Amino acid sequence: LAKTTQPISMDSYEGQEVNITCSHNNIATNDYITWYQQFPSQGPRFIIQGYKTKVTNEVASLFIPADRKSSTLSLPRVSLSDTAVYYCLVGDVNTGFQKLVFGTGTRLLVSP
Amino acid sequence: EAQVTQNPRYLITVTGKKLTVTCSQNMNHEYMSWYRQDPGLGLRQIYYSMNVEVTDKGDVPEGYKVSRKEKRNFPLILESPSPNQTSLYFCASSQLTSYEQYFGPGTRLTVT
Repeated sequence: LAKTTQPISMDSYEGQEVNITCSHNNIATNDYITWYQQFPSQGPRFIIQGYKTKVTNEVASLFIPADRKSSTLSLPRVSLSDTAVYYCLVGDVNTGFQKLVFGTGTRLLVSP
Repeated sequence: EAQVTQNPRYLITVTGKKLTVTCSQNMNHEYMSWYRQDPGLGLRQIYYSMNVEVTDKGDVPEGYKVSRKEKRNFPLILESPSPNQTSLYFCASSQLTSYEQYFGPGTRLTVT
């Protein structure tokens, strides 16, 4: 299972774009990259997943370079309600994704 | 509504008094899991189950038991709780081929 490294914390202001980068140097060929969001005292919530290039949904975008050794979660025009912990996970559902460790994630604080 | 439910949401108990935290999902998911979350340690997996009657240890299984007699239910049992099991517990479920896990609302357990 690929190990991931992401910043412990980030600060931003309302209306700004926030980019959280995750490093996963030993990502395997069949691994997907998945991001979760967790608000205080709530369970994590799936945000987005991707394999390569760019994926966009109504919440965020995920940018994955060609070598796939890192990925960037982009949150456009953040609001106070985006203050949360964001987790990057890398794995393959066919080979143990369900055993992935969430780690401590990146704590994003959005200020007025 | 698709959801994972946990009961109780809050529990204060004493050392050694057996307790069970229930988890139920209505999405016909094969995979279910229990996590505990402690400050500074992120989410740690306790046990998981890939299907009925199939369970396996996660990263921190000591002091816990689980059972999977029905697809929808995955109770967490603490035979003899100790203060170091004071934590926030989350149950999660997903399809085996999906990267999207659905989490319950959490159970805050205090053992005195």
